Amino acid sequence: NAGVMQNPRHLVRRRGQEARLRCSPMKGHSHVYWYRQLPEEGLKFMVYLQKENIIDESGMPKERFSAEFPKEGPSILRIQQVVRGDSAAYFCASSPSPGAGNGELFFGEGSRLTVL
Amino acid sequence: AQSVSQHNHHVILSEAASLELGCNYSYGGTVNLFWYVQYPGQHLQLLLKYFSGDPLVKGIKGFEAEFIKSKFSFNLRKPSVQWSDTAEYFCAVKYGGSQGNLIFGKGTKLSVKP
Repeated sequence: NAGVMQNPRHLVRRRGQEARLRCSPMKGHSHVYWYRQLPEEGLKFMVYLQKENIIDESGMPKERFSAEFPKEGPSILRIQQVVRGDSAAYFCASSPSPGAGNGELFFGEGSRLTVL
Repeated sequence: AQSVSQHNHHVILSEAASLELGCNYSYGGTVNLFWYVQYPGQHLQLLLKYFSGDPLVKGIKGFEAEFIKSKFSFNLRKPSVQWSDTAEYFCAVKYGGSQGNLIFGKGTKLSVKP
């Protein structure tokens, strides 16, 4: 009964390094969403992907951030040349399809990135 | 712009007190409404949801929420809170024309004193 699996749960990087966060959706789900949670800010939508397609990346910073959801394997959120302001909890969510379940998303436990 | 507002940043209650957390959303036509809860150190879990029909929605653990269309509100209520309800509560909206992502409020931290 695996839910949405994210790893690593905690990641520490120094400024300028790269961070890669992985997300495996629930079984049977083909849509993945990434959200960022900053203190006092709630969850901010970043990107929405289907297999091999980026559907909506309107919440992604224009530089240094990228996301993919390959045909095989987990979705990956990649942050290049990290800065202190990237420190946050990154949550992945999945759904079977946008129309199914009327929009309910199922969340993983998050990956907490700390940039030193 | 589509947005969700939660009025209370931090609410502190004693056990057995009644709870109401406010949530308002900006106009955007058809909406689906959600309340998620995040217990300390855990992921977000769905508390309840509204799609259509009866505007009073009952969720898990004795929570309920009422959709008032004229006020663009979806307030969360519980008649008698318990210490185990200590968590952060997020209101979220899916707008009818959106691709699928939810717009979240900033969250309300609830602390229940035993």
